[in-house]
Amino acid sequence: AQSVTQPDIHITVSEGASLELRCNYSYGATPYLFWYVQSPGQGLQLLLKYFSGDTLVQGIKGFEAEFKRSQSSFNLRKPSVHWSDAAEYFCAVGFNDMRFGAGTRLTVKP
Amino acid sequence: EAGVAQSPRYKIIEKRQSVAFWCNPISGHATLYWYQQILGQGPKLLIQFQNNGVVDDSQLPKDRFSAERLKGVDSTLKIQPAKLEDSAVYLCASSLGPGGSTDTQYFGPGTRLTVL
Repeated sequence: AQSVTQPDIHITVSEGASLELRCNYSYGATPYLFWYVQSPGQGLQLLLKYFSGDTLVQGIKGFEAEFKRSQSSFNLRKPSVHWSDAAEYFCAVGFNDMRFGAGTRLTVKP
Repeated sequence: EAGVAQSPRYKIIEKRQSVAFWCNPISGHATLYWYQQILGQGPKLLIQFQNNGVVDDSQLPKDRFSAERLKGVDSTLKIQPAKLEDSAVYLCASSLGPGGSTDTQYFGPGTRLTVL
């Protein structure tokens, strides 16, 4: 069955620290992969996406993600977190339709 | 350019009442999506339109939910009658192309529905 798992419901990091949000998927083949961010009261905004090619993908706002086929993972990273990065982050996978993970809430400590 | 517009932003109703949500996609976008996002979960696709035709409504509870996209522009999602479990944020999104995951979706701010 197709599924997306974000193992961490809530993560707290200090401002300036590095960040890694985990995403694992179960799919019949390598799907298209996405990371979205949702700020309170806002819709989802696409951070980055992976279709094929270079497994390290650069996105907006200084985020990057690495696709690892052997681990069925697509983890999101940022080297230095800013207070404005506090939000909910969703991993999504799919071909013709997208399936979203349950999300990881990021809190940033001053 | 203007983003995806949704109204109302918040709605509180009692169970068995009816409710309607409106979405105006980005101008020129062919594909429109309605998602349901229950608290603590990721968005789930309810229905996808390409222009004014339905592409996918496999997860739409058709006994109580209906949606239309007349003239291929704005869209209305209706729930009649509402149940407690319909409490969620309803997100509208649009994309320029015919849909599919290679087509970037742009999301509106959502309508938060509370059913009492």
